[in-house]
Amino acid sequence: DAGVIQSPRHEVTEMGQEVTLRCKPISGHDYLFWYRQTMMRGLELLIYFNNNVPIDDSGMPEDRFSAKMPNASFSTLKIQPSEPRDSAVYFCASSLVHDSNQPQHFGDGTRLSIL
Amino acid sequence: AQKVTQAQTEISVVEKEDVTLDCVYETRDTTYYLFWYKQPPSGELVFLIRRNSFDEQNEISGRYSWNFQKSTSSFNFTITASQVVDSAVYFCALSENRDDKIIFGKGTRLHILP
Repeated sequence: DAGVIQSPRHEVTEMGQEVTLRCKPISGHDYLFWYRQTMMRGLELLIYFNNNVPIDDSGMPEDRFSAKMPNASFSTLKIQPSEPRDSAVYFCASSLVHDSNQPQHFGDGTRLSIL
Repeated sequence: AQKVTQAQTEISVVEKEDVTLDCVYETRDTTYYLFWYKQPPSGELVFLIRRNSFDEQNEISGRYSWNFQKSTSSFNFTITASQVVDSAVYFCALSENRDDKIIFGKGTRLHILP
């Protein structure tokens, strides 16, 4: 079974540019989560979806960040315009059905560097 | 208030030593779930264990064991006879029944020295 797939693995871009991170959850998983990991703040939940609908976006840092899930097999996290402080590893995770007993399965992450 | 506290930021032990990673959590829910994840140097997050609040039985999986104590709100993780490959950052996490989110601790970076 394929796990959560994220692309790109690495992204380096100049500040001000638009950045789009992509995620394909595990087939059949109803929940999709976006996290950001930095040394200072650890793992932070940015937003999560249930059945493609955003449920909680309280972790999204500011209006420059947006996330969509147009269908069950694809989600994007977009930063526009990007800033150096957005540099981090961004993880996507998915989990099965409405049961917090289920573990989240993580992708390998996208390492983002904003110059 | 921080809901998951991993007080040990970094630990170094010599190979073959036992090491315990501490995790203290905070919740008002009576039903909740606790997790441990491992993040090796390659960066991916690997699920290790899940435990619900009604099951205080300790668990052992090979060299790994987990001690869940509701009385002290702790869910500690012990690696017996540590190996260099155990070097990683280990995250403890909490999920409350009211919510679908998992709240992660700051992690403990474990160095196993050869």
